[in-house]
Amino acid sequence: GESVGLHLPTLSVQEGDNSIINCAYSNSASDYFIWYKQESGKGPQFIIDIRSNMDKRQGQRVTVLLNKTVKHLSLQIAATQPGDSAVYFCAENTDSGYSTLTFGKGTMLLVSP
Amino acid sequence: NAGVTQTPKFRVLKTGQSMTLLCAQDMNHEYMYWYRQDPGMGLRLIHYSVGEGTTAKGEVPDGYNVSRLKKQNFLLGLESAAPSQTSVYFCASRTGGNHEQYFGPGTRLTVT
Repeated sequence: GESVGLHLPTLSVQEGDNSIINCAYSNSASDYFIWYKQESGKGPQFIIDIRSNMDKRQGQRVTVLLNKTVKHLSLQIAATQPGDSAVYFCAENTDSGYSTLTFGKGTMLLVSP
Repeated sequence: NAGVTQTPKFRVLKTGQSMTLLCAQDMNHEYMYWYRQDPGMGLRLIHYSVGEGTTAKGEVPDGYNVSRLKKQNFLLGLESAAPSQTSVYFCASRTGGNHEQYFGPGTRLTVT
């Protein structure tokens, strides 16, 4: 719920703006990355994923960019809407067997009308 | 499909009490996971299972035990609850061929 947001980096945007949420990942050997959205009081929901052999992937209103050189991932949301307000997590696979994901601490996105 | 369900939604325990959290999925997924989420800490993996009858430790397994006797259920046990285990617990599952994890709605546990 709302306690998830304590001490999180926060991005505040106006409705209709484009949002960019950044994530630095830890393991240069990771080859799969995923973005999740978590609304207050709910479990995380899948947004988009990308493999390390790609540097860009687009979905509906969202784009993920991967820069392996600096171990950086970003999530771009076009025409941000109030319903996009949530905490966004990036995650990477850190085991070669793809069994588990390691999650970042998250960024809170606040969209004002 | 109900997806991933968790029981109970809320629970308050006293220090030293025990309890079991139940996760159930109806998607025939092979992999199941238990995470805890604390303010500012993101999701941390407690234990996971790659199939019926198997379990493995995650990042923060101490104080917890798990069992996967049936493919659709993954149980998380706290034998002697401590205030440090106050958290929101999430279960997730996925198929063997897809890395996307599907999450349940969470269980909010308070240990006093």
